[in-house]
Amino acid sequence: DAKTTQPPSMDCAEGRAANLPCNHSTISGNEYVYWYRQIHSQGPQYIIHGLKNNETNEMASLIITEDRKSSTLILPHATLRDTAVYYCIVRVASGGSYIPTFGRGTSLIVHP
Amino acid sequence: DSGVTQTPKHLITATGQRVTLRCSPRSGDLSVYWYQQSLDQGLQFLIHYYNGEERAKGNILERFSAQQFPDLHSELNLSSLELGDSALYFCASSAPRDRGSTEAFFGQGTRLTVV
Repeated sequence: DAKTTQPPSMDCAEGRAANLPCNHSTISGNEYVYWYRQIHSQGPQYIIHGLKNNETNEMASLIITEDRKSSTLILPHATLRDTAVYYCIVRVASGGSYIPTFGRGTSLIVHP
Repeated sequence: DSGVTQTPKHLITATGQRVTLRCSPRSGDLSVYWYQQSLDQGLQFLIHYYNGEERAKGNILERFSAQQFPDLHSELNLSSLELGDSALYFCASSAPRDRGSTEAFFGQGTRLTVV
């Protein structure tokens, strides 16, 4: 199972881009990278996922390196409401199931 | 709104008691996952059900059990409760793999307090 490594905390000024890195050096060729976030004590929220191409949606952009060993989640214009714990996970297979398995994530604080 | 509904939102009970947490997945989702999150701890996977069948177990205690019913809602039963069982319990659902994306959608959780 591929594991991920994220910095424990980051901060960002409101209105600026927040770039959250994630290392997943043992990722397999068919494993997707998913990003979720959890605003304090709320249920985690899906943000974006990708396999090898860069992806963009209304919430964020996901940049995956060519060797797929790392990725970066980009929040282009961070707001105070983006303050949350961000989780980078690799889809983990167990007995035919794909289990979202969460690490400690990165606590992002967006300040005024 | 993720479309996943969990009830109750809050639950306070005494040690030794038994409680049942309920989860209604998004319409059409066959997979249900249960997670536990203790204070300042990460999300710990407990168990996964797919279309009524148990598919995977994580760090679930023997005092805990779950099931998924024919209408796809799921219940997590916690018995002989201890103070350390106090936590947020989240349910998530996802679509079948053959639909492509398998992102999970989480409910807002049940906050269990054991006193």
